[in-house]
Amino acid sequence: DTAVSQTPKYLVTQMGNDKSIKCEQNLGHDTMYWYKQDSKKFLKIMFSYNNKELIINETVPNRFSPKSPDKAHLNLHINSLELGDSAVYFCASSTRTGEKLFFGSGTQLSVL
Amino acid sequence: QQQVKQSPQSLIVQKGGISIINCAYENTAFDYFPWYQQFPGKGPALLIAIRPDVSEKKEGRFTISFNKSAKQFSLHIMDSQPGDSATYFCAASKDNFNKFYFGSGTKLNVKP
Repeated sequence: DTAVSQTPKYLVTQMGNDKSIKCEQNLGHDTMYWYKQDSKKFLKIMFSYNNKELIINETVPNRFSPKSPDKAHLNLHINSLELGDSAVYFCASSTRTGEKLFFGSGTQLSVL
Repeated sequence: QQQVKQSPQSLIVQKGGISIINCAYENTAFDYFPWYQQFPGKGPALLIAIRPDVSEKKEGRFTISFNKSAKQFSLHIMDSQPGDSATYFCAASKDNFNKFYFGSGTKLNVKP
């Protein structure tokens, strides 16, 4: 069983479109995250949710909207996609203590 | 501004050799320093971590050396193996672990 699973693995779309990435964790963790990894492999946090409550919003454009229907799911919706949004997006989860992040396999988003 | 600086960007080591990756930080409030390992097409996975109250932590072939006064820490991989070929990220966190600051990654290639 995959601990943190995200779909789709690849997403190719046109500029201006709206797309969503889904994430689910079966580890019973309270905290979930979205990280963005750019073309230079630099990993940066975007959002953090604790038990469905938004904890961290790292100056991400309003076009990005996370949604947590329950503590096992954290989805990312992106409106009006831009070329600069092309990256790998990772979902992650952690226990309440937060010391260890468990990452999903990533969603490679390509905006054409 | 990058909170954690990592070097080198890439590293080639012969099988059996020692791989050394270095990281430096500025924020003295950081109190937890993990290293993550990422294989192509996968999310990063926690490898080993250290707190600033010790100067070294060893787990198998992997050792973290920590120099609090210099605000530097490094990962040493002894007897490097081709299976260790991956990208390694250092990171730092403070207080409640909700936010990790990642280095820019080091791509390690261990040649047989």
